[in-house]
Amino acid sequence: AQSVSQHNHHVILSEAASLELGCNYSYGGTVNLFWYVQYPGQHLQLLLKYFSGDPLVKGIKGFEAEFIKSKFSFNLRKPSVQWSDTAEYFCAVNAGRNTDKLIFGTGTRLQVFP
Amino acid sequence: KAGVTQTPRYLIKTRGQQVTLSCSPISGHRSVSWYQQTPGQGLQFLFEYFSETQRNKGNFPGRFSGRQFSNSRSEMNVSTLELGDSALYLCASSLAMRGTEAFFGQGTRLTVV
Repeated sequence: AQSVSQHNHHVILSEAASLELGCNYSYGGTVNLFWYVQYPGQHLQLLLKYFSGDPLVKGIKGFEAEFIKSKFSFNLRKPSVQWSDTAEYFCAVNAGRNTDKLIFGTGTRLQVFP
Repeated sequence: KAGVTQTPRYLIKTRGQQVTLSCSPISGHRSVSWYQQTPGQGLQFLFEYFSETQRNKGNFPGRFSGRQFSNSRSEMNVSTLELGDSALYLCASSLAMRGTEAFFGQGTRLTVV
């Protein structure tokens, strides 16, 4: 069965620190990959997505992610976090044809302190 | 452009009752998916509808059902509610075209007492 693993459940950083959140998936075929963010009290929003092409994708608010096919990974990075990045981050995979079904990781809660 | 709209935002129901949640997708979006979000299980896929047909179903009991109307609006129903059904139910819509992503609504917070 397809699954997504997020290794960090809770990350605490100071402003200006660098961020890397791990995401691994299990699926042997073609996948579409996503990172969503859920700010406190708000709906899930797309940070970035990968469908094909350049494995380094850039998203909103300075976030980027790298797809490494050989490692089944899609790690999220940001060089310098801000207090406003405090949120929960979800990695998700869409696999298979003719479906928008997303398999989500368990999420990483990021707290950034000024 | 209006986002995905879910109604109601909050619901309190008693065990054994049934509940219907509604989702209006973004205009032009034909695919609607439903997810259950709980602190213990995270985000779990319930079902997906496209052009009024259920295209995919998650691993939930038959008490959970849904449908999609010709205008792409969708409803999900949970019968014989259990305490464990307390969760945030999220609806997502998409254009159902390669390269496009799902847009999520604010969710309906269901509490079963």
